[in-house]
Amino acid sequence: KQEVTQIPAALSVPEGENLVLNCSFTDSAIYNLQWFRQDPGKGLTSLLLIQSSQREQTSGRLNASLDKSSGRSTLYIAASQPGDSATYLCVWPSILTGGGNKLTFGTGTQLKVEL
Amino acid sequence: EAGVVQSPRYKIIEKKQPVAFWCNPISGHNTLYWYLQNLGQGPELLIRYENEEAVDDSQLPKDRFSAERLKGVDSTLKIQPAELGDSAVYLCASSSATSTDTGELFFGEGSRLTVL
Repeated sequence: KQEVTQIPAALSVPEGENLVLNCSFTDSAIYNLQWFRQDPGKGLTSLLLIQSSQREQTSGRLNASLDKSSGRSTLYIAASQPGDSATYLCVWPSILTGGGNKLTFGTGTQLKVEL
Repeated sequence: EAGVVQSPRYKIIEKKQPVAFWCNPISGHNTLYWYLQNLGQGPELLIRYENEEAVDDSQLPKDRFSAERLKGVDSTLKIQPAELGDSAVYLCASSSATSTDTGELFFGEGSRLTVL
């Protein structure tokens, strides 16, 4: 059974800090990995998608890296702001034998950035 | 281009009443998912469609839940009758998947159900 673990589970930091969120998966047969944020009461907003052939993706203050050999993806948030406060989820899709796909959600990191 | 659209955003009903949620995926996306999310927890798959075919409904409580995606575009999720434990957020997502790539996943804003 595929498992996706996110560390830390919760994080509270002062504004301006650079942050590292970790996502670990148990199966290295990864096709791509996607990072989302979820605000309370809202749906999931896609942040970054890393294809299996890529090592990293960047969008603004966000940078996500993928290391298939170690089974890990890292989301870096530079110069954190209160508006970054949300729950961050990594999602690992896999292609199933015989066709179809399965999405495995990480356990989530709840981030709070304080003024 | 519009993202994944869901309605209603909020629904409050009494137990034993029926309720239906609607989802319009991103244009051209062949794969559509319905997820249930309880407070403080991650999404749990209810059903996945590839075009109009339900290819994974193993987690759908079929005694009271039903779903359809008749023309392979928009989809409806129904609960009848609703129970108190069904109170949750129902999320719809879509992607353009192939046999070798699950594609980028996009979620709607969700439909929050409260059963009294």
